Amino acid sequence: AIQLTQSPSSLSASVGDRVTITCRASQGISSALAWYQQKPGKAPKLLIYDASSLESGVPSRFSGSGSGTDFTLTISSLQPEDFATYYCQQFNSYSALTFGGGTKVEIK
Amino acid sequence: QVQLVESGGGVVQPGGSLRLSCAASGFTFSSYGMHWVRQAPGKGLEWVAFIRYDGSNKYYADSVKGRFTISRDNSKNTLYLQMNSLRAEDTAVYYCAKDLSVGATTPEYFDYWGQGTLVTVSS
Repeated sequence: AIQLTQSPSSLSASVGDRVTITCRASQGISSALAWYQQKPGKAPKLLIYDASSLESGVPSRFSGSGSGTDFTLTISSLQPEDFATYYCQQFNSYSALTFGGGTKVEIK
Repeated sequence: QVQLVESGGGVVQPGGSLRLSCAASGFTFSSYGMHWVRQAPGKGLEWVAFIRYDGSNKYYADSVKGRFTISRDNSKNTLYLQMNSLRAEDTAVYYCAKDLSVGATTPEYFDYWGQGTLVTVSS
């Protein structure tokens, strides 16, 4: 199964900061990657799919890029409601969809 | 608006069985593939299973293959997960989730999620 490695596993940032999270696939997955945001006690929320397509209703400060094995999620100006855990997910290997280990974004 | 409501979770002994249900509304259920995704307490997300919109194809994570069965009843707008031979490591919140793409024949992304139902496997 394709493995996804996220880095960092956690970070501290301030409101207004630019934040970048990376996700590396163990083999090429073209652009078959999504990003999700999860807040404590809540279900995940889809932010980005196909590596760079913004899901409807998601603020434009969220953006995704990359293809092949290396991907990034960028939050251009961190807002108070963005403190959460973020996961990447791939579907290229449809026999085994996988998630990254998560990145927890905390308040500095 | 899309709503997914899971039910059926609870405490079960190792080796036991449980059936989860997910009632869907707010979209054409019979046109979308559906998933189960789980999250162990304090851990990350793990995809469990996918069923095609018409029920004709199913895919499973290796960790549950042969023990869990995903099914659907499009006349009742309901998704199911039959879980047999349960183990302690199956303890998790189980979410049902809708696939992003209409008519998807293989699993892709999850655009709507339920609130989850907790399954605890313990003696």
